[in-house]
Amino acid sequence: TQLLEQSPQFLSIQEGENLTVYCNSSSVFSSLQWYRQEPGEGPVLLVTVVTGGEVKKLKRLTFQFGDARKDSSLHITAAQPGDTGLYLCAGPASGGSYIPTFGRGTSLIVHP
Amino acid sequence: NAGVMQNPRHLVRRRGQEARLRCSPMKGHSHVYWYRQLPEEGLKFMVYLQKENIIDESGMPKERFSAEFPKEGPSILRIQQVVRGDSAAYFCASSPQTGVNTGELFFGEGSRLTVL
Repeated sequence: TQLLEQSPQFLSIQEGENLTVYCNSSSVFSSLQWYRQEPGEGPVLLVTVVTGGEVKKLKRLTFQFGDARKDSSLHITAAQPGDTGLYLCAGPASGGSYIPTFGRGTSLIVHP
Repeated sequence: NAGVMQNPRHLVRRRGQEARLRCSPMKGHSHVYWYRQLPEEGLKFMVYLQKENIIDESGMPKERFSAEFPKEGPSILRIQQVVRGDSAAYFCASSPQTGVNTGELFFGEGSRLTVL
């Protein structure tokens, strides 16, 4: 079983479209990270959300942490081909080990 | 500032040989994590180390796999008697002490092991 479930698994869209990807869990997370990974490279940290209900913006990317700290979403406005990549959510579960656990990711392709 | 450095980037081994993967964490980072990634799967935790100590190895197979992070030098993930199922991308990540509680990790570019 996967502690963090990400959806959709794959997403293929045209440049200029908006999209939202989701990260859900039955566990509470003390914090949650979003990473982007490009083919042949390592994941790169995009953002950390800590407080329930928190919203963070990074240019055209908007990250939200659920009120109960069990879920998160990433919204991209006016997607560009440079946004193509694997988006991973991760976090250390509360009350236990601080080892970050990862979802399987959403693979996004933005066509020009 | 140098990021997390991993080498080799690509490694080819025949079944039964040994593979050694090296990782130098970011400057100032004393915590190292190793993850394995297979196609269509997420990153699977293997082992968490601090200098000279293994903190958590719950994700690492008991046999053939070992890891160390000596006082001097890089962290090393060692796979003995490799089998085809060991073929994967192995990622090292580091964090500063302040990052341990938030879970923020800084990854290297990975070492891709192919077992023939």
